[in-house]
Amino acid sequence: GNSVTQMEGPVTLSEEAFLTINCTYTATGYPSLFWYVQYPGEGLQLLLKATKADDKGSNKGFEATYRKETTSFHLEKGSVQVSDSAVYFCALSDRGRSGGSNYKLTFGKGTLLTVNP
Amino acid sequence: NAGVTQTPKFRILKIGQSMTLQCTQDMNHNYMYWYRQDPGMGLKLIYYSVGAGITDKGEVPNGYNVSRSTTEDFPLRLELAAPSQTSVYFCASSLRQGGVSDTQYFGPGTRLTVL
Repeated sequence: GNSVTQMEGPVTLSEEAFLTINCTYTATGYPSLFWYVQYPGEGLQLLLKATKADDKGSNKGFEATYRKETTSFHLEKGSVQVSDSAVYFCALSDRGRSGGSNYKLTFGKGTLLTVNP
Repeated sequence: NAGVTQTPKFRILKIGQSMTLQCTQDMNHNYMYWYRQDPGMGLKLIYYSVGAGITDKGEVPNGYNVSRSTTEDFPLRLELAAPSQTSVYFCASSLRQGGVSDTQYFGPGTRLTVL
């Protein structure tokens, strides 16, 4: 079956530090990969996504590259801000061999990021 | 657009009580989902719907029921509340377009405590 493994948190950084949150996956088909972010007291919102191998998703200074050879989708940001403090979820949506999405997301457990001023 | 709205935001139930968590979306999305989020865990899919009148079980459906009589609404029913159902519940929706990967849009959540 499908699974997503992301690095255990919590992660605590100082403002302007470099961020990496590791994510690896197991999928039976051709997955699309996502990073969702959950700010305190809110629901999840899409941060970025990539739909095929070697695609790079980017948004708000965050980037992640879909690496099929290492089954990874690590999240990076060059300089974090206090406002980036949130829980980050890696997720996959597995497309079958026919190309259609199976529309169900498999989530990792989430990584809590705290950025101190 | 309001997006995905959920009510109530918070609720405390006694064991054995029943309640319905409401979810409405105004984006004309055909797919809707219910998840639960337990502390330190990712989201687990409870039920989902691919359109009005069509629902199916996810990973953790026991103790819950759903219905989808309209495109907009997807209520989640707890019939006999148990402490194991203490969780944060998120409703989500997405627009399925052929084989393109869908972005799911989430509501703000309902925090439920069963005592």
